[in-house]
Amino acid sequence: GAVVSQHPSRVICKSGTSVKIECRSLDFQATTMFWYRQFPKQSLMLMATSNEGSKATYEQGVEKDKFLINHASLTLSTLTVTSAHPEDSSFYICSAKSGGSNEQFFGPGTRLTVL
Amino acid sequence: AQKITQTQPGMFVQEKEAVTLDCTYDTSDPSYGLFWYKQPSSGEMIFLIYQGSYDQQNATEGRYSLNFQKARKSANLVISASQLGDSAMYFCAMREGSNYKLTFGKGTLLTVNP
Repeated sequence: GAVVSQHPSRVICKSGTSVKIECRSLDFQATTMFWYRQFPKQSLMLMATSNEGSKATYEQGVEKDKFLINHASLTLSTLTVTSAHPEDSSFYICSAKSGGSNEQFFGPGTRLTVL
Repeated sequence: AQKITQTQPGMFVQEKEAVTLDCTYDTSDPSYGLFWYKQPSSGEMIFLIYQGSYDQQNATEGRYSLNFQKARKSANLVISASQLGDSAMYFCAMREGSNYKLTFGKGTLLTVNP
């Protein structure tokens, strides 16, 4: 089956620093990748959709200058949380789909803690 | 209005029994897809089952089946012969039209008792 990896799995950083999270599709080409955020005991909320080679589309209320998304290749998308604050502490999950497929394959998630 | 509604914050079931997790949805698009995912405490999202709006038959995948009632806009997940490993959060999600974005419900925490 399709495998999506995320790195790092956990990260702790100081307030004001930037953190980069990588999402990779290991055995298929991901034309579209999605970034979700999940606060404790809550549902997944879509942050943005990224298509390879084009700018990401952000959901309403998500600051594009704070959450930088780069989908530079068909197997890699990155999410950079800039100037992180404690309220950015959350579980970030990416998913990827190949063209023509209904299914999204999810990464294992990255738990970000901002001190 | 919420697009996906899961009314059961928590459910309990005895091992080896069947359990139904409720999901209702709201869309005006005639083409849509409904998904169920399992999220154990480790956090990974595990795809369970998919039902397309034009599918004539209810989807089944092993012990998972989807009770799709289009007129009522419900897509309940039925897990047969529950196992201890089924204890997890379960999320219902919807894709509308040609848009591949998923909208998730709030989830149901299932606990399987021995």
